[in-house]
Amino acid sequence: DVKVTQSSRYLVKRTGEKVFLECVQDMDHENMFWYRQDPGLGLRLIYFSYDVKMKEKGDIPEGYSVSREKKERFSLILESASTNQTSMYLCASSPRTDFYGYTFGSGTRLTVV
Amino acid sequence: AQKITQTQPGMFVQEKEAVTLDCTYDTSDPSYGLFWYKQPSSGEMIFLIYQGSYDQQNATEGRYSLNFQKARKSANLVISASQLGDSAMYFCAIFNGKSTFGDGTTLTVKP
Repeated sequence: DVKVTQSSRYLVKRTGEKVFLECVQDMDHENMFWYRQDPGLGLRLIYFSYDVKMKEKGDIPEGYSVSREKKERFSLILESASTNQTSMYLCASSPRTDFYGYTFGSGTRLTVV
Repeated sequence: AQKITQTQPGMFVQEKEAVTLDCTYDTSDPSYGLFWYKQPSSGEMIFLIYQGSYDQQNATEGRYSLNFQKARKSANLVISASQLGDSAMYFCAIFNGKSTFGDGTTLTVKP
């Protein structure tokens, strides 16, 4: 069964910590995405990547960075975690043409205290 | 900018009844795909059904069907014979080189 795997389901971090959220897909998809989901705000795109070593800013990139050193892995980095980054983070991947939609990971609920 | 509108923040339905979740979209692109995802309380987004903009027939997947009215730019999800396990948040989305999600509808199935 094809999959997008996010390394942690639940994570608690302290303010100011550097946080890494990992996402791995086994479908040989070119495109990968990071979203955050907050009540009343829906899904908001943080960063995306169309190829290895490529990255593009989404709608809310501030406070985040990403890394894509290998095709199957897309990491989201919170450089200095803050309480307003407490959220659900969803990783997704798709083939180069995304007309067939995304496959999502199971999400990471991050709490910054 | 393209947009997805889901006007029902919350819906209730009795078990075994059918329910329709509304979705309207706005895009200037002639070619696009419309999707519905289910998100249970566990958090994972589960693909339910897909409709291409050039598809002549409405998509169906088991108990899910998509009522696609292109001229009205609507893509409503119909769930037949609701089950308790259908209680979840449902998202409508459009994909055409860029993705846009609606804000979601929370469906509660009552026993």
